[in-house]
Amino acid sequence: SAVISQKPSRDICQRGTSLTIQCQVDSQVTMMFWYRQQPGQSLTLIATANQGSEATYESGFVIDKFPISRPNLTFSTLTVSNMSPEDSSIYLCSVAWTGDNEQFFGPGTRLTVL
Amino acid sequence: GENVEQHPSTLSVQEGDSAVIKCTYSDSASNYFPWYKQELGKGPQLIIDIRSNVGEKKDQRIAVTLNKTAKHFSLHITETQPEDSAVYFCAADDNNNDMRFGAGTRLTVKP
Repeated sequence: SAVISQKPSRDICQRGTSLTIQCQVDSQVTMMFWYRQQPGQSLTLIATANQGSEATYESGFVIDKFPISRPNLTFSTLTVSNMSPEDSSIYLCSVAWTGDNEQFFGPGTRLTVL
Repeated sequence: GENVEQHPSTLSVQEGDSAVIKCTYSDSASNYFPWYKQELGKGPQLIIDIRSNVGEKKDQRIAVTLNKTAKHFSLHITETQPEDSAVYFCAADDNNNDMRFGAGTRLTVKP
């Protein structure tokens, strides 16, 4: 497993602004993912963060709205752009290693958009 | 794509009783089935998983069974304790880290 931290843990933002969420892992990982969990709902994959190349987005999610960076094997950021109240959710990063299905999740970032 | 259904959505049991949560999946290519426990204000925690070449796996009070033919798998918690209260998610993965989650089950264990 790995120790995963996310910053910020929570934030309250005004509509129209952007927030960047950081995910830091204590060891090198092959794969990093970003999920959204709307209030009382399940987890939905936003994208896979690829080191050295553009992220791979799931249907319904686009780079302009959720730009992602992954500069190295231990760090990734997700930006929620031009926020609206519908973006209020918990955003989670997870990590995995190639050839191993196990995914481990960070503590999440609780975002409220007013 | 994969579709995972989970039942029940809520489950309330008395301390010491057993709890069973069931999931079905649609993609026969799925071969990895984890279960996550999510406590309030925390991220999901992997508690047990099973792969398609195994029918049952047990870890202390927790067990998972898999029926690959019927495409369903279940989580069994015995001798439940109040600290087992949480939301539990099942998931299915086709070995491409394309993990799809069930809707979740809110388990309440009453002391």
